Amino acid sequence: DQQVKQNSPSLSVQEGRISILNCDYTNSMFDYFLWYKKYPAEGPTFLISISSIKDKNEDGRFTVFLNKSAKHLSLHIVPSQPGDSAVYFCAASTLSADKLIFGTGTRLQVFP
Amino acid sequence: GAGVSQSPRYKVAKRGQDVALRCDPISGHVSLFWYQQALGQGPEFLTYFQNEAQLDKSGLPSDRFFAERPEGSVSTLKIQRTQQEDSAVYLCASSFLRGGLNTEAFFGQGTRLTVV
Repeated sequence: DQQVKQNSPSLSVQEGRISILNCDYTNSMFDYFLWYKKYPAEGPTFLISISSIKDKNEDGRFTVFLNKSAKHLSLHIVPSQPGDSAVYFCAASTLSADKLIFGTGTRLQVFP
Repeated sequence: GAGVSQSPRYKVAKRGQDVALRCDPISGHVSLFWYQQALGQGPEFLTYFQNEAQLDKSGLPSDRFFAERPEGSVSTLKIQRTQQEDSAVYLCASSFLRGGLNTEAFFGQGTRLTVV
């Protein structure tokens, strides 16, 4: 049972436009959500997080939105740059657990 | 170094061979995690240490998998009698406080294990 789902395996966006990556979850106990970025042959790198008490968190070009009622979060990248091309993983955890549950990832390609 | 270091980067093992994968976490990080990432999948939790105590090993797929962190810093993941299905990237991560609790985990580059 996949508790964290990223239904789009890939996304292609033109440089300068907005990239929107989506993530759905099924466990209503999740209260902390993170996005990681991964380049080939490297480990995942933390990008941005959000607590369940918030519905938005912004850091430069990156904004994460959380819709608890829909059990949905999204990552917005504005403006998109070619260096943003990578695989993006959504992850979630609960206060009572120690581990992150990851989605399967979305490969973002930003073209000139 | 400043980041999480894993060795070896690549390991090819013959089926039935034992392997040991090493993780050097960021200095001072209390929590250490091991994840397994199969091709085309997201990382899947294997086990978690807080200092030297292994608090959660619910993700270890079989009793062939064993992890230790005897002095609360370096950790070793050992896989006995490797099978082809063990082929994956093994990721180690560390965090300053309890993982996932308002603090992100920092990942190493991973060890790619191929069992032939």
